[in-house]
Amino acid sequence: GAVVSQHPSWVICKSGTSVKIECRSLDFQATTMFWYRQFPKQSLMLMATSNEGSKATYEQGVEKDKFLINHASLTLSTLTVTSAHPEDSSFYICSAREGISDQPQHFGDGTRLSIL
Amino acid sequence: TQLLEQSPQFLSIQEGENLTVYCNSSSVFSSLQWYRQEPGEGPVLLVTVVTGGEVKKLKRLTFQFGDARKDSSLHITAAQPGDTGLYLCAGRTNNDMRFGAGTRLTVKP
Repeated sequence: GAVVSQHPSWVICKSGTSVKIECRSLDFQATTMFWYRQFPKQSLMLMATSNEGSKATYEQGVEKDKFLINHASLTLSTLTVTSAHPEDSSFYICSAREGISDQPQHFGDGTRLSIL
Repeated sequence: TQLLEQSPQFLSIQEGENLTVYCNSSSVFSSLQWYRQEPGEGPVLLVTVVTGGEVKKLKRLTFQFGDARKDSSLHITAAQPGDTGLYLCAGRTNNDMRFGAGTRLTVKP
């Protein structure tokens, strides 16, 4: 089956640090990748959608200068949380989809980000 | 407000009992997915339903898509402790997918 690898799985860093999270599709080409944020005991909230080679489309209320998304290849998307603060602490999950919108999304295992 | 309303939000039952989780919306979806998520992990796809009125079975799990493609249900027969987890429904519209708030199921042995 389709595998999405997310790295790192856990990050703890000081306030003001920028953190990069990688999302890779291992056995398929991900035309579209999605980044979600999940707070404890809550559902997934879509942050942005990125298509390979294009600028990401951010959801309302998500700061594009705060959460930089790069989808430079068909197998890799990165999310950089710039100048992270404690309120950015959360569980970040990526998903990837091959081809057209009817294809299923495959999720990574998530990255738990803790900002001290 | 959630695009997709899931109920119940929490459910705690004994092993062997049956249960149904509901996912409702005022929007029409081209497809609807059900996921299960374990703590600290990403969601795992259980099923995709596409056609109004469609019923799919996955062992003890039965999924139904409403005739109008606005709602869905997940029925688990003879629940087991291994069924414990967060169940999420997600509806697809245009180019993205929106999640419900989830149902946290605990099955006690």
